[in-house]
Amino acid sequence: GENVEQHPSTLSVQEGDSAVIKCTYSDSASNYFPWYKQELGKRPQLIIDIRSNVGEKKDQRIAVTLNKTAKHFSLHITETQPEDSAVYFCAAIQYSGNYQLIWGAGTKLIIKP
Amino acid sequence: EAQVTQNPRYLITVTGKKLTVTCSQNMNHEYMSWYRQDPGLGLRQIYYSMNVEVTDKGDVPEGYKVSRKEKRNFPLILESPSPNQTSLYFCASSIRQGPNQNTEAFFGQGTRLTVV
Repeated sequence: GENVEQHPSTLSVQEGDSAVIKCTYSDSASNYFPWYKQELGKRPQLIIDIRSNVGEKKDQRIAVTLNKTAKHFSLHITETQPEDSAVYFCAAIQYSGNYQLIWGAGTKLIIKP
Repeated sequence: EAQVTQNPRYLITVTGKKLTVTCSQNMNHEYMSWYRQDPGLGLRQIYYSMNVEVTDKGDVPEGYKVSRKEKRNFPLILESPSPNQTSLYFCASSIRQGPNQNTEAFFGQGTRLTVV
């Protein structure tokens, strides 16, 4: 079945700098890769997603890139701000008779003032 | 307001005492699922449901039961809770998950369960 690995587990960056979180997946049939943000004490919320027919997607300060050959995808946050501090989760869709999202372990992003 | 509602938000119980965590969504979503969140392990799926009367095991189903008798409700049942089920639980719903139809998962507020 699908396995999703996420790195790093903790990332500390200076406010205004960029942050990059990387995920790898194992199932070459996976075709949908969302990213969720979970602020402290809150529920996870979708921030961006990408499908396998595109290599990059951007939404203001956040972008996701997908390399299908290498089976990895990354979240890029530019000009980081204090409100970007949160735990970020990547996921990949797996088909094994039914469809389910398989999640990475999460990255705690800390923005230093 | 479109939402996923879980109850209760917090629960402390004793080993072996059956409990139910309710989950309800008002968005007419077909797909619903339950996750547990533990430090360093991310979100692990317990059970999911593609539609009414269709449920399937996720990655960590042992010790849990679910039912999907109506589209809007997807309760999580712990018949005999044990301390290793102490965790933060999330219910989530999506319009559907399928070939080229994968859509956003909307999460409930979470239920923090402690089993002593």
